[in-house]
Amino acid sequence: DGGITQSPKYLFRKEGQNVTLSCEQNLNHDAMYWYRQDPGQGLRLIYYSQIVNDFQKGDIAEGYSVSREKKESFPLTVTSAQKNPTAFYLCASTDRGRTNNEQFFGPGTRLTVL
Amino acid sequence: AQKVTQAQTEISVVEKEDVTLDCVYETRDTTYYLFWYKQPPSGELVFLIRRNSFDEQNEISGRYSWNFQKSTSSFNFTITASQVVDSAVYFCALSEAFRLGGADGLTFGKGTHLIIQP
Repeated sequence: DGGITQSPKYLFRKEGQNVTLSCEQNLNHDAMYWYRQDPGQGLRLIYYSQIVNDFQKGDIAEGYSVSREKKESFPLTVTSAQKNPTAFYLCASTDRGRTNNEQFFGPGTRLTVL
Repeated sequence: AQKVTQAQTEISVVEKEDVTLDCVYETRDTTYYLFWYKQPPSGELVFLIRRNSFDEQNEISGRYSWNFQKSTSSFNFTITASQVVDSAVYFCALSEAFRLGGADGLTFGKGTHLIIQP
C-alpha cells in the first residue's frame, strides 16, 4: 500500500535536546512538506522540498532543520533553538507532475517537551 | 499574501440536521486551488475535495456538497443529514498555482470543530 509513514507517533523530549522526526513516503512524490499544528490552530508550513537535495523555508522555519538526501525521506529536526516545540507535526507529499497540488498526509507525530 | 478564514470555531448539531461550514479566502492569483480536509480524532488529515479557480460548478458527493463562489471568495461545505461519524475538525485550504514547476505548500484556515450529537 502506498502512503506516508511518520514515526514515532508520540515523542517526549527534555528541554534543550534536539529531536528528529521521521517521514517516509512510497508514493514516488517529488515534493514533501512539514507542517506544525497547535491546539485550535490550522496547520502552518515549516519547511518544504520540491526535489532531492533542495528545500525551502516555510512560514515558521526558525528552530527547525531538514534534509532531503533521498526522494522518499524528509526528516525534520526540532532543535533546542525552537522556543515552543510542543505540537503535532504532520508530514505531507505531492506529485509535482500534477497541477492540482493535492497533498497526502501522514498520521502525524505528537511531540511533547518536558 | 494568501489567507483562509474559517470563522466558525466550533459547531454542534443534533444528528440528522444539515450543517454548513464556511470558508472565505484571499489571494492575488487568478489561478488557485481550494481544498477541504477532515481531521478525525486520530489526527491524520483526510482529503475531501479539490476545486480549481476556473471551475465554479458546485459538487455533490453523497451527503457532502460544496458551494464555490468566486464573487464572494467563498468555498462552503455542507453536510446533509449529519451523522455522529462526521464529528471531526474540518479544514479549508488554499494553494496558489505552481510556480516554476514547484508547489509551495497549502495555506490552511484554523479549522471548524464539528460535533454531531446523537
